[in-house]
Amino acid sequence: NAGVTQTPKFQVLKTGQSMTLQCAQDMNHNSMYWYRQDPGMGLRLIYYSASEGTTDKGEVPNGYNVSRLNKREFSLRLESAAPSQTSVYFCASSPRDREVFGPGTRLTVL
Amino acid sequence: DQQVKQNSPSLSVQEGRISILNCDYTNSMFDYFLWYKKYPAEGPTFLISISSIKDKNEDGRFTVFLNKSAKHLSLHIVPSQPGDSAVYFCAAASGSARQLTFGSGTQLTVLP
Repeated sequence: NAGVTQTPKFQVLKTGQSMTLQCAQDMNHNSMYWYRQDPGMGLRLIYYSASEGTTDKGEVPNGYNVSRLNKREFSLRLESAAPSQTSVYFCASSPRDREVFGPGTRLTVL
Repeated sequence: DQQVKQNSPSLSVQEGRISILNCDYTNSMFDYFLWYKKYPAEGPTFLISISSIKDKNEDGRFTVFLNKSAKHLSLHIVPSQPGDSAVYFCAAASGSARQLTFGSGTQLTVLP
């Protein structure tokens, strides 16, 4: 039981490049989330998926897209990376009353 | 407009003493509150939660208190241990969706 896994752990992009952050969970949770953490700002919700086949915007969705590929996997795509997207990205899944977080992806956009 | 606020960015406590971390919220629709602990280079891990129908919840050394009229909650850690040194995030949710709104975190340092 690996919980929530995220790939890659680290990534450096140039402005304008695209990339996809991968997330998978093996706990059979319905809900999955993507957050970003910036210094002094806590975690902010980017997108979430309440169940397979549905996705909704969170607090800071601009510049991102998501895909809930199946119950296990929820990916986050940056189509044209900007320096403002330099952050640590956390994926999470939830059985309902608490969220279980992955280890994070540290992304730097130059 | 931050709906969940942790006004102390850092707190230092001596080992064996009590640590008290505070959190304030502005949205009266929040009905479920959680505390998460985060070590460097790891994801946050769930610590303890409380529903708005309660005013206290205990789990071992950790107790969360909720004062709905003041829109304030606090996490007490007794006794504090060096391994408790981490960033603590307060989070709140409302309704059945359970999407979390996080505070900015408090760095707790427990000195040996």
